[in-house]
Amino acid sequence: EAGVAQSPRYKIIEKRQSVAFWCNPISGHATLYWYQQILGQGPKLLIQFQNNGVVDDSQLPKDRFSAERLKGVDSTLKIQPAKLEDSAVYLCASSLGRLAGGRPGYRDTQYFGPGTRLTVL
Amino acid sequence: AQTVTQSQPEMSVQEAETVTLSCTYDTSENNYYLFWYKQPPSRQMILVIRQEAYKQQNATENRFSVNFQKAAKSFSLKISDSQLGDTAMYFCAFMKWNTDKLIFGTGTRLQVFP
Repeated sequence: EAGVAQSPRYKIIEKRQSVAFWCNPISGHATLYWYQQILGQGPKLLIQFQNNGVVDDSQLPKDRFSAERLKGVDSTLKIQPAKLEDSAVYLCASSLGRLAGGRPGYRDTQYFGPGTRLTVL
Repeated sequence: AQTVTQSQPEMSVQEAETVTLSCTYDTSENNYYLFWYKQPPSRQMILVIRQEAYKQQNATENRFSVNFQKAAKSFSLKISDSQLGDTAMYFCAFMKWNTDKLIFGTGTRLQVFP
C-alpha cells in the first residue's frame, strides 16, 4: 500500500514570495491533515479536512495560508506572502476517518508523509 | 488547553539495552488518547504505540511498552533490546476523545550506539 505522498521535498524562497505544497493521501482515506513543524518543536495542526470539507482550521493563519481539497482526495497548502517565521517542515497526514467496530470515540491512526522542508530567506 | 511535556531533549542508549522516555501531559478531560510517534532522520513520522485512557492495561507493541499513570498524567515509553534503527526523534502526543487533533510534545532525540 502506497503511503502519503508529498511534493516538493524541499523549497527555498524569499520572503514575500508565494509557495504551494501538494499532498496525496493514502487511497481511501477520508481525513487529511496539514501540520507545521518548526525546528525544535513538535508538529502543530494547521487544518483538517473530512473529504472536501474543513473540520478544523482554528490554527491556520488565514491572512496568508490557504488550503483546499477540492475533490476530496489530494490537497494543496499555499502560503502567500511568506514570512521568515514560516520556515518549517510541512507535514501532511491522512486517516481512514471512520468510527470502527462500533467503539464510541474510536479514532483512526494518522499516517504521515515525508514532509516538505520550507526555507524562507 | 491541553499541553504535552517531554523533559528529556536528548537520550542515548547502548544497543541491546533498555531506555525509558518520559512524557507528562496536562488535561481536565477524563477520556482521551495518548500516542508515541517516531520520526527517523528521513522525517516520516511513524506511530509506535497508542493508549486509550479508559484502558487500565498498559499497551505493548513488541519491544515497545508504555507505563501509563493516569492520576499522575504520565505516559512513558520503554524500549527494550534497543536497536540501531531505533535512533530517531520520539514525540509524545495527546488527543481528546472524539476529536482527531493531535497535540505533540517537543520531542526527545534518542541515539542508539553500538
